[in-house]
Amino acid sequence: AQSVAQPEDQVNVAEGNPLTVKCTYSVSGNPYLFWYVQYPNRGLQFLLKYITGDNLVKGSYGFEAEFNKSQTSFHLKKPSALVSDSALYFCAVTTLPGSSNTGKLIFGQGTTLQVKP
Amino acid sequence: KAGVTQTPRYLIKTRGQQVTLSCSPISGHRSVSWYQQTPGQGLQFLFEYFSETQRNKGNFPGRFSGRQFSNSRSEMNVSTLELGDSALYLCASSLSGLAGGGLTDTQYFGPGTRLTVL
Repeated sequence: AQSVAQPEDQVNVAEGNPLTVKCTYSVSGNPYLFWYVQYPNRGLQFLLKYITGDNLVKGSYGFEAEFNKSQTSFHLKKPSALVSDSALYFCAVTTLPGSSNTGKLIFGQGTTLQVKP
Repeated sequence: KAGVTQTPRYLIKTRGQQVTLSCSPISGHRSVSWYQQTPGQGLQFLFEYFSETQRNKGNFPGRFSGRQFSNSRSEMNVSTLELGDSALYLCASSLSGLAGGGLTDTQYFGPGTRLTVL
């Protein structure tokens, strides 16, 4: 079965410090990976995606993520956290047409990021 | 460009009733997907519509159904509501959808409809 794991329910970081939100995946075939952020009472906002090419992907609001095929990971990073980054972060994966999970995003359980001033 | 809109934003129903939720995609987007978000199960895929056809379906009972109109607007219907159907229902639109060869497509989500079943 294809799945996404976000091993930390919550990540706490001080403002100005670097942050990492972890994500690992399990799929058959090539993964296509996404990060979304959700603020309270809001829908999901797209941050970035990895389809192919450079393993380091840059996205919105200064976020980036590194695709590591050998470790099946796609961790989200930011060099300097802001209080306004505090939110719920979701990692998601989809796969090529022809697989049972094509056409839909499979989400991790989410990680709450708390940035303290 | 206007984003994905969902109506209503909040809904309270009782067990046994049925409910219809609406989603208007971003202009030009032809794929609409629906997801259910609950604290226990997280985000789960319900179904995807493209050009008025259901192209993919998640593991939900037949009480959950949907449709898409020629203008790409989509509705989701839940019949015989159960307490466990209480959730945030999210709609996402994209140009051609992940199954349409549009792997570079991004799904843009609406704000969701909060359904409470009493």
